[in-house]
Amino acid sequence: DQQVKQNSPSLSVQEGRISILNCDYTNSMFDYFLWYKKYPAEGPTFLISISSIKDKNEDGRFTVFLNKSAKHLSLHIVPSQPGDSAVYFCAARSTSGTYKYIFGTGTRLKVLA
Amino acid sequence: KAGVTQTPRYLIKTRGQQVTLSCSPISGHRSVSWYQQTPGQGLQFLFEYFSETQRNKGNFPGRFSGRQFSNSRSEMNVSTLELGDSALYLCASSLAPRDGGDTQYFGPGTRLTVL
Repeated sequence: DQQVKQNSPSLSVQEGRISILNCDYTNSMFDYFLWYKKYPAEGPTFLISISSIKDKNEDGRFTVFLNKSAKHLSLHIVPSQPGDSAVYFCAARSTSGTYKYIFGTGTRLKVLA
Repeated sequence: KAGVTQTPRYLIKTRGQQVTLSCSPISGHRSVSWYQQTPGQGLQFLFEYFSETQRNKGNFPGRFSGRQFSNSRSEMNVSTLELGDSALYLCASSLAPRDGGDTQYFGPGTRLTVL
């Protein structure tokens, strides 16, 4: 049972344009969401997070949107740069009962120069 | 502040052997989690340790075990290795407050190859 889903395994975007990565979840007890970026042979790097009490969080070129009613979050990267090419994982955490993070399967973003 | 460190970075073993991986969390972080990453499977949660106690466990067989020491350093052990255990094993640490947001920070991983 995949509680966190990233339905697009890959995405290509032109440099300077907006990249939108999507993530859906099924567990309404998730209260904290994170996005990580991962380069090959490296560990994931934390990008941005959002609490379930908010619907938007912005950090520089990165903005995360949370739609609780749709159980959907998205990461916007504007403008996209070639260095953003990596695999992006979304993760969700529940503080009710078990305390662990559930990760999606990742979306490979390629930013074309 | 130093990041999460993992040793060794690369490991080659044969089927049936056992292996121990080590993780040193960021100073002050009390929670350490372990994940297995295989192609197409994302990050699969193995277990989480907090104050030397296993607080949470994923759906992995008992061949996978771990422990945490009083200085928060953690080790993960896999016994009777199988070919399917070949993966990148990632360790993540966090402050782990129960209330409010928390962020896990990852180490570079240990690439385990089972022949």
